[in-house]
Amino acid sequence: AQSVAQPEDQVNVAEGNPLTVKCTYSVSGNPYLFWYVQYPNRGLQFLLKYITGDNLVKGSYGFEAEFNKSQTSFHLKKPSALVSDSALYFCAVNPVGGATNKLIFGTGTLLAVQP
Amino acid sequence: DGGITQSPKYLFRKEGQNVTLSCEQNLNHDAMYWYRQDPGQGLRLIYYSQIVNDFQKGDIAEGYSVSREKKESFPLTVTSAQKNPTAFYLCASSITPRESTDTQYFGPGTRLTVL
Repeated sequence: AQSVAQPEDQVNVAEGNPLTVKCTYSVSGNPYLFWYVQYPNRGLQFLLKYITGDNLVKGSYGFEAEFNKSQTSFHLKKPSALVSDSALYFCAVNPVGGATNKLIFGTGTLLAVQP
Repeated sequence: DGGITQSPKYLFRKEGQNVTLSCEQNLNHDAMYWYRQDPGQGLRLIYYSQIVNDFQKGDIAEGYSVSREKKESFPLTVTSAQKNPTAFYLCASSITPRESTDTQYFGPGTRLTVL
């Protein structure tokens, strides 16, 4: 079955330190990959996506993600965390060749940045 | 959240009642989606619509119904047949229904609570 895994329910990091939120996927072929962020009681905001080309994708608010085909991973990173980055982060995948634009979401990782 | 509105923000339902959640978009997107979010489970697709007057079931359609009479509107009805409707409901849209690279943009959500 096609799936997305976010192995960490929560990631804690001190402000100013680098952060990584992990995502791995299990789909056939080369999927399209997305990261979204959700603040409490709000909808999801799009951060970035990987379609093709450079494995390092840059997105909103200083976030970037690295696509690793051999490890089937798409980890979200930021060089220096801010307290305002504290939120719930979702990784999603769209298998290539699907007849519709249907996303498969991970279960989310709560990022807590301590001042 | 820009361009997609959901109402109401909070909704309370008594057991046995049907309720309708509103979703409107002014992005001129063809495709629209309804997701359900439960703690620790990520987002699950309820229904999606690729074009006016057409919609398909997602992964958890039982107990829900939708309509798509206008391009900009995709209301979701939670019927009394839905046994556990308490959740956060998110509406999304994308430019085209079949392009896997398209980003889905989300509304602010409706929190439904069954009393």
